[in-house]
Amino acid sequence: AQSVAQPEDQVNVAEGNPLTVKCTYSVSGNPYLFWYVQYPNRGLQFLLKYITGDNLVKGSYGFEAEFNKSQTSFHLKKPSALVSDSALYFCAVRPDGGPQTGANNLFFGTGTRLTVIP
Amino acid sequence: DTEVTQTPKHLVMGMTNKKSLKCEQHMGHRAMYWYKQKAKKPPELMFVYSYEKLSINESVPSRFSPECPNSSLLNLHLHALQPEDSALYLCASSQDDTYYEQYFGPGTRLTVT
Repeated sequence: AQSVAQPEDQVNVAEGNPLTVKCTYSVSGNPYLFWYVQYPNRGLQFLLKYITGDNLVKGSYGFEAEFNKSQTSFHLKKPSALVSDSALYFCAVRPDGGPQTGANNLFFGTGTRLTVIP
Repeated sequence: DTEVTQTPKHLVMGMTNKKSLKCEQHMGHRAMYWYKQKAKKPPELMFVYSYEKLSINESVPSRFSPECPNSSLLNLHLHALQPEDSALYLCASSQDDTYYEQYFGPGTRLTVT
């Protein structure tokens, strides 16, 4: 079965400090991994994805994520947090394979609320 | 243009009403999706259209009826809904239904009274 875990419901970080939002996954076959951000009463915005290649992926707004196959993790990071980064962050995975594997389905984690304190 | 638009932004309907949600994209994407999101929860996939054909229906009740009139438009027809159907309904599109990222619209906030 495919699943995504975001172990922290809430992450607080001071402005200017580095931030990490954690994500681990379980999927059959190779994973395609995504991070999305959601601001209040808005849809989700795509931040970055890992498909193949370099394990360190750089995305929008200074965010990056590192794919770690042995730990089945895809943590989101940013070197210096901004107050405007405060939002709800979702990790998502889809398996590599045909429809019978659920490959058309994007499995979301439960979300992590990031608060950046001025 | 990387925008997915949804109308209306807000909708209040009674349990006997019939209404429709609309979604539009002009990015040339060939896959479109409907999601339901309850407060403080992740989006849940409802339907996937790939090349204008329904490819996934995640066991959604028949009171929700999707329609894809052309490659740019996606509708969700609503009839005889229940109060527990109140949620944010998100539309998304992607280049195709493989590993491409999905672009989400702002959603329609639906309240069923």
